[in-house]
Amino acid sequence: GAGVSQSPSNKVTEKGKDVELRCDPISGHTALYWYRQSLGQGLEFLIYFQGNSAPDKSGLPSDRFSAERTGGSVSTLTIQRTQQEDSAVYLCASSFRTGAAGELFFGEGSRLTVL
Amino acid sequence: GEDVEQSLFLSVREGDSSVINCTYTDSSSTYLYWYKQEPGAGLQLLTYIFSNMDMKQDQRLTVLLNKKDKHLSLRIADTQTGDSAIYFCAENSGGGADGLTFGKGTHLIIQP
Repeated sequence: GAGVSQSPSNKVTEKGKDVELRCDPISGHTALYWYRQSLGQGLEFLIYFQGNSAPDKSGLPSDRFSAERTGGSVSTLTIQRTQQEDSAVYLCASSFRTGAAGELFFGEGSRLTVL
Repeated sequence: GEDVEQSLFLSVREGDSSVINCTYTDSSSTYLYWYKQEPGAGLQLLTYIFSNMDMKQDQRLTVLLNKKDKHLSLRIADTQTGDSAIYFCAENSGGGADGLTFGKGTHLIIQP
């Protein structure tokens, strides 16, 4: 497809289980971002990949969260031992350049519910 | 640190103008953005303004930037039901992750 694709669109899991969320960015986009959107909290930056550079992990809330980006394309966000406070919509975005204009193209998100 | 503040809700009548306001703290921001999020969808760039401009107009949208007061506004003329969405203000100050810092978003509610 032409846009950023995320899967699954919805995930319900039990507390303590691990989850993986996938993001397929727009082809050719070198930058990839993960954000978390919680009710009333706006967008919380989690992690940023740019080309082959080391990722900016400064937004990851705990060591239960990790992400990788294989081959400079698809990214997986992993949450280990999920907690109820992890329930949120996880948004992925990509862009083909940094700095000027800075337009991010967002996917529709993966809604995670931790019971 | 960097901070972007917005009101959480704005209610307007259909056909009226909507004005969504945003304040930011980082004076080094080079670009300021408005993103729109419709229900169940991701964010989509609506418009942006370079920091050396004070106004940008695009059809029904007018962006005003007061750099001295670090205040950004988005005016939507002749508001329609299709404008109902969450509007996010964001700034690019050149820090990590492209320096994009988002506000919490303003829910625009359209009354018939």
